[in-house]
Amino acid sequence: DVKVTQSSRYLVKRTGEKVFLECVQDMDHENMFWYRQDPGLGLRLIYFSYDVKMKEKGDIPEGYSVSREKKERFSLILESASTNQTSMYLCASRPGQGYTEAFFGQGTRLTVV
Amino acid sequence: RKEVEQDPGPFNVPEGATVAFNCTYSNSASQSFFWYRQDCRKEPKLLMSVYSSGNEDGRFTAQLNRASQYISLLIRDSKLSDSATYLCVVLSGGSYIPTFGRGTSLIVHP
Repeated sequence: DVKVTQSSRYLVKRTGEKVFLECVQDMDHENMFWYRQDPGLGLRLIYFSYDVKMKEKGDIPEGYSVSREKKERFSLILESASTNQTSMYLCASRPGQGYTEAFFGQGTRLTVV
Repeated sequence: RKEVEQDPGPFNVPEGATVAFNCTYSNSASQSFFWYRQDCRKEPKLLMSVYSSGNEDGRFTAQLNRASQYISLLIRDSKLSDSATYLCVVLSGGSYIPTFGRGTSLIVHP
């Protein structure tokens, strides 16, 4: 069974704090993704990575950065958290080849106050 | 125009009903298609892949129409436990990025 694990289920942070969201997968997948999900807007891609140290901007990268130092770990960083970054954050991974599905972590519900 | 579009619903149906969801996609080069199910406050989970020839898994049938660029999901004999949001997902681009529709909400009532 593929396992994608996000470090926190719920997180409350203050405006201006630097926030780290961690994601680890155990299936040696090349591709990893960070999405945020908001009511009425669906899942929107923030960043993705197709290999160690490689990253690409998604549709809404502003205010975020990422780090992929090891294949199994993909971190999302909020440089200076703002209230409009309150959201559900979902990490996903999938193999680099072929047309198989993506697997998701359980999500982190982040509240910025 | 959003790449993947779905009717958000909600679809409110009685137990035992048959319900169908459609999804359209804009990128004609898209390679793979899926339906995911998402329960409230949980992560999306794969319901089924969608193949060109159509495929069935118990009460669920998925169809793909490449010419018209739409995907459908049919649920027969709806159960209360089918209540969830159904997400249409398309894999596109050289990096096979999963692109999601906004989801269709299904409520099955007694």
